[in-house]
Amino acid sequence: ETGVTQSPTHLIKTRGQQVTLRCSSQSGHNTVSWYQQALGQGPQFIFQYYREEENGRGNFPPRFSGLQFPNYSSELNVNALELDDSALYLCASSLQVGLTDTQYFGPGTRLTVL
Amino acid sequence: TQLLEQSPQFLSIQEGENLTVYCNSSSVFSSLQWYRQEPGEGPVLLVTVVTGGEVKKLKRLTFQFGDARKDSSLHITAAQPGDTGLYLCADTSGTYKYIFGTGTRLKVLA
Repeated sequence: ETGVTQSPTHLIKTRGQQVTLRCSSQSGHNTVSWYQQALGQGPQFIFQYYREEENGRGNFPPRFSGLQFPNYSSELNVNALELDDSALYLCASSLQVGLTDTQYFGPGTRLTVL
Repeated sequence: TQLLEQSPQFLSIQEGENLTVYCNSSSVFSSLQWYRQEPGEGPVLLVTVVTGGEVKKLKRLTFQFGDARKDSSLHITAAQPGDTGLYLCADTSGTYKYIFGTGTRLKVLA
């Protein structure tokens, strides 16, 4: 069984640019959540996708957007990058059988905005 | 907005020592999860507790959920270097959204 994978591992961008991060969910999982983890902090919920639809969103501006594909893999897009967007971006997949379920996290993408 | 505060923020101990870290919530937990995150990795789930007063053990780790379901502790007995990492508590919030605490960074020295 393949775990959650994310690409790329590291990324360096400059202010104002756009970035796309990718996540492959664990086999059989239909739900993907994205989190932002700033240095020294706990993860903050960005949004969740369930069967290709956004299922909920945290306190992030609209320049953070996402997609989920029919194979349940997912993308996180960030437009107009700001210095404060520098963080570890984590995705987590789960099999949603109720309101909550165990999430399995990927290793993350480290984004640096200069 | 629910806030999860963890203490201490940092802890550096010698191998073989015992330690306890804490997680306090500004509101009642829906259910509480503890995770450990190692450098370069995503968080890994250690345990889920749901019922007030619940105690769960995972080898040398003991998790306790407060009776009022607003606080929790994680006790590690005879810490080992492999226990080093960032310990995070999280509330599943009863919905799609997981709220994480600020984390306790533990370093166990050999």
